[in-house]
Amino acid sequence: NAGVTQTPKFRILKIGQSMTLQCTQDMNHNYMYWYRQDPGMGLKLIYYSVGAGITDKGEVPNGYNVSRSTTEDFPLRLELAAPSQTSVYFCASSYPGPANTEAFFGQGTRLTVV
Amino acid sequence: AQRVTQPEKLLSVFKGAPVELKCNYSYSGSPELFWYVQYSRQRLQLLLRHISRESIKGFTADLNKGETSFHLKKPFAQEEDSAMYYCALGAGSYQLTFGKGTKLSVIP
Repeated sequence: NAGVTQTPKFRILKIGQSMTLQCTQDMNHNYMYWYRQDPGMGLKLIYYSVGAGITDKGEVPNGYNVSRSTTEDFPLRLELAAPSQTSVYFCASSYPGPANTEAFFGQGTRLTVV
Repeated sequence: AQRVTQPEKLLSVFKGAPVELKCNYSYSGSPELFWYVQYSRQRLQLLLRHISRESIKGFTADLNKGETSFHLKKPFAQEEDSAMYYCALGAGSYQLTFGKGTKLSVIP
């Protein structure tokens, strides 16, 4: 029973490098999200998707891109890494939307940009 | 705009003592309130939601619209309750706004 799986768990990037954080879920959820959590802060929504082929910006989308080609996968792309993107990233999914039901989270990816 | 405030970063209580984790929210619409918990080395998971009106692991939370609060309570703390607790506000179909979290430490 995998639920929401994120890879990698840890990553160190140099300034200007690019990377993709992978997220996949096996619960057939329509809604998927990416959050970031800075030290001492709450989770902030980066991007979300309400179904395959549909994505939209959350509260802090700058510096990130997403795609949703399948129901299962929702990768997050960092094109030009900056120190301000050092954070812990969480992927989550739900059905229906998270305001009405339980959101299931991945284990998180701890990203450091140096 | 919606906002969730958890005033305590850290709350330490002795085993067997009552626990109250505070949460206040700001939202002009009809709120959906949740408590999520993250135990050490585990993923964030739902603890309870106000609409269910149930007790999970001895925890309860009552939505007080007059005081815009959703405090989490437990009469007798256990060591296994030590964790990070996040209050969350559901607004609209997709938006879930989280507080900064409170770390609960139960002292044996």
